Amino acid sequence: KAGVTQTPRYLIKTRGQQVTLSCSPISGHRSVSWYQQTPGQGLQFLFEYFSETQRNKGNFPGRFSGRQFSNSRSEMNVSTLELGDSALYLCASSPGAGNTIYFGEGSWLTVV
Amino acid sequence: GESVGLHLPTLSVQEGDNSIINCAYSNSASDYFIWYKQESGKGPQFIIDIRSNMDKRQGQRVTVLLNKTVKHLSLQIAATQPGDSAVYFCAENPGYSTLTFGKGTMLLVSP
Repeated sequence: KAGVTQTPRYLIKTRGQQVTLSCSPISGHRSVSWYQQTPGQGLQFLFEYFSETQRNKGNFPGRFSGRQFSNSRSEMNVSTLELGDSALYLCASSPGAGNTIYFGEGSWLTVV
Repeated sequence: GESVGLHLPTLSVQEGDNSIINCAYSNSASDYFIWYKQESGKGPQFIIDIRSNMDKRQGQRVTVLLNKTVKHLSLQIAATQPGDSAVYFCAENPGYSTLTFGKGTMLLVSP
């Protein structure tokens, strides 16, 4: 069974641009969540989707958004990029609440 | 890959020793807890989990202990190997499929 797949793995963007990151969950998993990881703040929850509905959202500005498609694949978007958005963005999937949550390898975003 | 685990508490052990990594969690309503291992440049890898109706769970070479009274988790790794060197995170599940992570501990295993 394939794991959680994230694309792209590495990308460099300029301040003010926007970026879209993609995540394909493990087959059969309907919950997809996103996390930001930085050296200073550690792993922080961004948002979680289940069956195309956002169920929970972390404490991030509105520049961070996401969506989930009917096939459970998910995308997250960051608009008007700032230097501080440089981070590893991790996607995780799960069959549903209370089940094991598995992570992808992440997308490394560098904002210059 | 880049490192995302700078300035973390570090545990240094010799190969073959037993390792114990501790973690305090914050939400007394959390009923599901997971330990992850993260190697440099990779995403967190599931190690073991435990539900709040248990106080101990064993896996292959790993044991997780849960003390709900003081909101404390520990991960014990038996016969630690160089391949166990990584950053270890505990995470609590406060609801839905979301996780709140601890700050992480870097485990360094010397041959």
